[in-house]
Parts: sequence; structure tokens; C-alpha cells
Amino acid sequence: NAGVTQTPKFRILKIGQSMTLQCTQDMNHNYMYWYRQDPGMGLKLIYYSVGAGITDKGEVPNGYNVSRSTTEDFPLRLELAAPSQTSVYFCASSYGPQGGYQPQHFGDGTRLSIL
Amino acid sequence: KQEVTQIPAALSVPEGENLVLNCSFTDSAIYNLQWFRQDPGKGLTSLLLIQSSQREQTSGRLNASLDKSSGRSTLYIAASQPGDSATYLCAVTSGSRLTFGEGTQLTVNP
Repeated sequence: NAGVTQTPKFRILKIGQSMTLQCTQDMNHNYMYWYRQDPGMGLKLIYYSVGAGITDKGEVPNGYNVSRSTTEDFPLRLELAAPSQTSVYFCASSYGPQGGYQPQHFGDGTRLSIL
Repeated sequence: KQEVTQIPAALSVPEGENLVLNCSFTDSAIYNLQWFRQDPGKGLTSLLLIQSSQREQTSGRLNASLDKSSGRSTLYIAASQPGDSATYLCAVTSGSRLTFGEGTQLTVNP
């Protein structure tokens, strides 16, 4: 059981480039999330999805886009990379909503540097 | 706006010691509180989830308590081991949002 899988694990981008961070889960979870974690800080929610075709903004959505065409996949898109987007990005999924009884399952993260 | 604070930011203890990690939050209207473990270069692993109606949860050597009215939670680790070395984060769910603290980096020395 793979759980939540994120690719790539590391990436270096130049300012202005674009890229997509991939996230897939095999637990048939409806809820999926993207977070960023800056050094020494907690995680901040970028976007989340409550099911295929439904996405919504989190706390820090500017500069990012998401889509949810299937239950399994929730890619995160950076259109014009900026140094402020240097961070570690985590994808997570859960069976129920954040206020429910089920914990979130996290991927191992994508470490992204914008130079 | 919900704010979550964890004290201390870092803790170093000898093996075998019992220890307490603290978490406080500003808005007591929460649905649940979770404690996570994060190993270097890895994602988060959920350790314990306490619903707002509960006072504590236990798993093995870990015990988490919740005092919603005072906005506090503690994670108690009994008989610490070097394998417990990691960063521990607490997070509260309020509204539709999960708010994380900045974590406590724990080192257990053999």
C-alpha cells in the first residue's frame, strides 16, 4: 500500500519557470490537501479538494493552481516561479474532512528551490 | 485567526526520561487536535487525534491531553528512546482549516 506519493522529491527552478508537483493516493480518499512548510515553521494550507472536480483555496493560494480530475490525483501547478515559493511542499489526503475522526496521511514532500 | 504555539522549540533529554511537550491555541472553538511526528526529510505521521469532546488519547508510550477551555494540549512521552528523536507538531482543526504549530524538535541521547 503506497499511501500518498509525491514526485519529484527535489527540484531546482529558475525564476519565471513553471512546473507541476504531482500527488497521487491509493486509499480512495475524497479529501486532498497541499501544504507548504518553510524552514522552522508549521505547515500552511495552499489548496484543498473535497472530491473530484471540486477545489478551494486555503491560507496561501497566490501563485499556485490545482486541479482534481480524478479521486487519486491532485497536482499543484506553479506558473511563474518566484524565490518566495522556495519551500517544502506536502500533499496529504484523508477519508473525511479535517474536522472528522480520520487523520490526514502525508506524502514525503517535494523540496523546491527557486533561484 | 487561530494561532498555535509550541513550547519548547527544541528539547534534548537523556534516554529513559519522561517528557512533556506543550501546545497552546488561541481559539477554543476547535473540532479536534492532532499530534504529528516528522522525521528529517519525511512527511508527517499522525500520532494521536483528540476530538473536542475528549480529554485525552493514549497510544503505547504516548499520552495526549486536551483542555479546550484553556486552549492547551500536552503530549507526554514515557521512557523516551533514541528512536523518539524527531520534530513533533500539533495542529488544531477550527472552521474548515487545520492550523499547525511550529513544532518541537526532540533529541533523545543514548
